[in-house]
Amino acid sequence: DQQVKQNSPSLSVQEGRISILNCDYTNSMFDYFLWYKKYPAEGPTFLISISSIKDKNEDGRFTVFLNKSAKHLSLHIVPSQPGDSAVYFCAASDSGGSNYKLTFGKGTLLTVNP
Amino acid sequence: GAGVSQSPRYKVAKRGQDVALRCDPISGHVSLFWYQQALGQGPEFLTYFQNEAQLDKSGLPSDRFFAERPEGSVSTLKIQRTQQEDSAVYLCASSPGLAGSYEQYFGPGTRLTVT
Repeated sequence: DQQVKQNSPSLSVQEGRISILNCDYTNSMFDYFLWYKKYPAEGPTFLISISSIKDKNEDGRFTVFLNKSAKHLSLHIVPSQPGDSAVYFCAASDSGGSNYKLTFGKGTLLTVNP
Repeated sequence: GAGVSQSPRYKVAKRGQDVALRCDPISGHVSLFWYQQALGQGPEFLTYFQNEAQLDKSGLPSDRFFAERPEGSVSTLKIQRTQQEDSAVYLCASSPGLAGSYEQYFGPGTRLTVT
């Protein structure tokens, strides 16, 4: 039972355009969400996060939007660069839980074409 | 400063062998997590330590899996009598353990192949 779903296994965009990666969750106890970026043969690297008390968080080229009623979040990358090509994982945490463990989606492979 | 390191980076084991995977977290990080990532999947939680105490081991798939962090820093994940379904990347992550601190910092992982 996937509690965090990334329904697009892959996404291809042109350099300079916007990349939009989507994530849905089913567990209403999740109240903190994170995006990680992963290059081959490396561990996931933290990118950006958002608390459920907010609906938007921005950091440079990266913006995460949260729609709690729809249990949906998205990561926007503007403008996209070839170095952004990687697998992006959406993750969620329940702050009421005892350990802040993360529940991950399956990931979306982003390819940014020059 | 140094990030999370894991060793070995690659491990090939014959079915039935025991393996031990090591994690060196970021210095001073209280919380340490182990995750298992199968091919084409996201990381899945295995177990969690706060200092030397193992507070959650609900994700360990069987009693063949055992983890320890005896001095609250380095951790070892041990898999006994390895099976082919244990083939995966094993990721270690650490975090400061401060209240409201959710970001976890991952190591490069150990890729285990059981033949």
